[in-house]
Amino acid sequence: GAVVSQHPSWVICKSGTSVKIECRSLDFQATTMFWYRQFPKQSLMLMATSNEGSKATYEQGVEKDKFLINHASLTLSTLTVTSAHPEDSSFYICSAPPQQRIFSELDTQYFGPGTRLLVL
Amino acid sequence: AQSVAQPEDQVNVAEGNPLTVKCTYSVSGNPYLFWYVQYPNRGLQFLLKYITGDNLVKGSYGFEAEFNKSQTSFHLKKPSALVSDSALYFCAVSYQAGTALIFGKGTTLSVSS
Repeated sequence: GAVVSQHPSWVICKSGTSVKIECRSLDFQATTMFWYRQFPKQSLMLMATSNEGSKATYEQGVEKDKFLINHASLTLSTLTVTSAHPEDSSFYICSAPPQQRIFSELDTQYFGPGTRLLVL
Repeated sequence: AQSVAQPEDQVNVAEGNPLTVKCTYSVSGNPYLFWYVQYPNRGLQFLLKYITGDNLVKGSYGFEAEFNKSQTSFHLKKPSALVSDSALYFCAVSYQAGTALIFGKGTTLSVSS
């Protein structure tokens, strides 16, 4: 199946700093990528939809100025948590549906391995 | 509004016994239904999906799921559980291809030896 990578897998930072998380589709192109957040023992909640070449679409209650999303190319989306605070500590996961019908899985989303953020 | 319900927080099964993880959904139109598995501190791995066609869908690692339109259910099943199947299982739905998924709260499967 298709592969999505995330970097870094772990990050610990001080309160007030900014953290950038990268999401890459390694063997397919994705005009759209999705960013989810997962708190411990909870489900995944959609934060925003990243669109290549245009502005991201944010879910209700997600601060767009705090969670900056840039979809720079057909294989890369970045999420920057600005001025991070302890309540931003979470597991961040991206996903992407393939643009092309690769492996006949056009309607399947592939998830990255996730990035665990801990803000001290 | 679209939603997914996984009524069980945890399912306990003995190795070798059949397992079922329940999922019901609410979505307007024809649903795209998915099952994913998550191991600790890992991302989600795709197990199987129902888009159209045969109501019984076979997926990875011997798992299968049956789409039941009248009961709006998509229960995950496996005839013989393995200890290595112990993980967190998510049912998810979308209303069309390429859109974001709506996830259930997840069900922890524990298979004892």
